[in-house]
Amino acid sequence: DQQVKQNSPSLSVQEGRISILNCDYTNSMFDYFLWYKKYPAEGPTFLISISSIKDKNEDGRFTVFLNKSAKHLSLHIVPSQPGDSAVYFCAASARGTYKYIFGTGTRLKVLA
Amino acid sequence: DAGVIQSPRHEVTEMGQEVTLRCKPISGHNSLFWYRQTMMRGLELLIYFNNNVPIDDSGMPEDRFSAKMPNASFSTLKIQPSEPRDSAVYFCASSPSTTPWTGTSGGIETSTDTQYFGPGTRLTVL
Repeated sequence: DQQVKQNSPSLSVQEGRISILNCDYTNSMFDYFLWYKKYPAEGPTFLISISSIKDKNEDGRFTVFLNKSAKHLSLHIVPSQPGDSAVYFCAASARGTYKYIFGTGTRLKVLA
Repeated sequence: DAGVIQSPRHEVTEMGQEVTLRCKPISGHNSLFWYRQTMMRGLELLIYFNNNVPIDDSGMPEDRFSAKMPNASFSTLKIQPSEPRDSAVYFCASSPSTTPWTGTSGGIETSTDTQYFGPGTRLTVL
């Protein structure tokens, strides 16, 4: 049973436009959420995180939004750049554990 | 720092053979994680260690899988015997913290430590 779901396996966006990647979770015990980016033949790298006491966290072109009532988070990339083309994984963690539960990933392609 | 080091980067073996994947975490990191990536299930946590002690191995799929961490700078994931369905990319990650993510207290956020991933080992079992 997938506790963290990324329902869009792929997304294509024009350079300069906004990319929106979505993630849903089912476990109400999750209180910390992360996004990782992965390039081919490399390991995932941390991008941005948010805890349940916030509904928004921003880092440069990247913003993560959290809607706890809907158990939904999203990653916004503005403006999108060709170098952002990668697979993006959403992950969630519950208090008292180191465990990250990852989604299946969304492949983002930014078209020049 | 060299980051998390994994070997081999690629492994091709035949069904029934023993496979050993190796990981060297970042120096000073106290937690180590083994993940498996497949198209269908994404990144699955197999097992994690804290201070060389296995804390949670509930993600280990079968008794054919075993993991050890004999010291702070080395860990192995072994599959014996291997099967074609074990074909995947296996990642090792490490994290500096010794204590779990504690959530929030009195409205003040406490944060967990980031996990740093190695480049992965692509395993193909024929």
